[in-house]
Amino acid sequence: AQKVTQAQTEISVVEKEDVTLDCVYETRDTTYYLFWYKQPPSGELVFLIRRNSFDEQNEISGRYSWNFQKSTSSFNFTITASQVVDSAVYFCALRGSQGNLIFGKGTKLSVKP
Amino acid sequence: EAGVAQSPRYKIIEKRQSVAFWCNPISGHATLYWYQQILGQGPKLLIQFQNNGVVDDSQLPKDRFSAERLKGVDSTLKIQPAKLEDSAVYLCASSLWARGTEAFFGQGTRLTVV
Repeated sequence: AQKVTQAQTEISVVEKEDVTLDCVYETRDTTYYLFWYKQPPSGELVFLIRRNSFDEQNEISGRYSWNFQKSTSSFNFTITASQVVDSAVYFCALRGSQGNLIFGKGTKLSVKP
Repeated sequence: EAGVAQSPRYKIIEKRQSVAFWCNPISGHATLYWYQQILGQGPKLLIQFQNNGVVDDSQLPKDRFSAERLKGVDSTLKIQPAKLEDSAVYLCASSLWARGTEAFFGQGTRLTVV
């Protein structure tokens, strides 16, 4: 069975702080894909990043960075120097061999000025 | 490139009534998904199409929910009869293929059943 766990329900930080959102996954597939999505108050899910199971290189995109560790089945997301516009619900998702996309319950991030 | 289009954006119905949602995926995307997102939760997959065939509908309440994807493009999701617990946002998404590509989401339809 596939599962995605986001243990942090809500996080509140002050602008310019760094924040890390945790994601732990479970799968028996050897080939799988991991994703992060952002859901702002407007409601639309916005794709942020995709990672396949064979690529453990960490990735940085501007203030965003992702740390993928197969040994601990984790795919964590860090926002550096957070901004108010980063306030949203962030979802981690897993796609396995059958192609279905399973989401975690999300972490609500509030960035206060 | 146009995104995933959904309509209506909002719908309020009484319990036991029926409702239908429409989705037009990104052009050329073979895979289409319908998700249900209850307030405060992550999206739950209801059904996944590959072209016009169903790949996964294991979590679709088939006694009241139905979905089709005509000609492998547009899709409709229907609920008949609706229950109070069906109040949620219904999200449509599409991806180029089912495996390694990301899914792009529409703005969703917020359904309130009263």
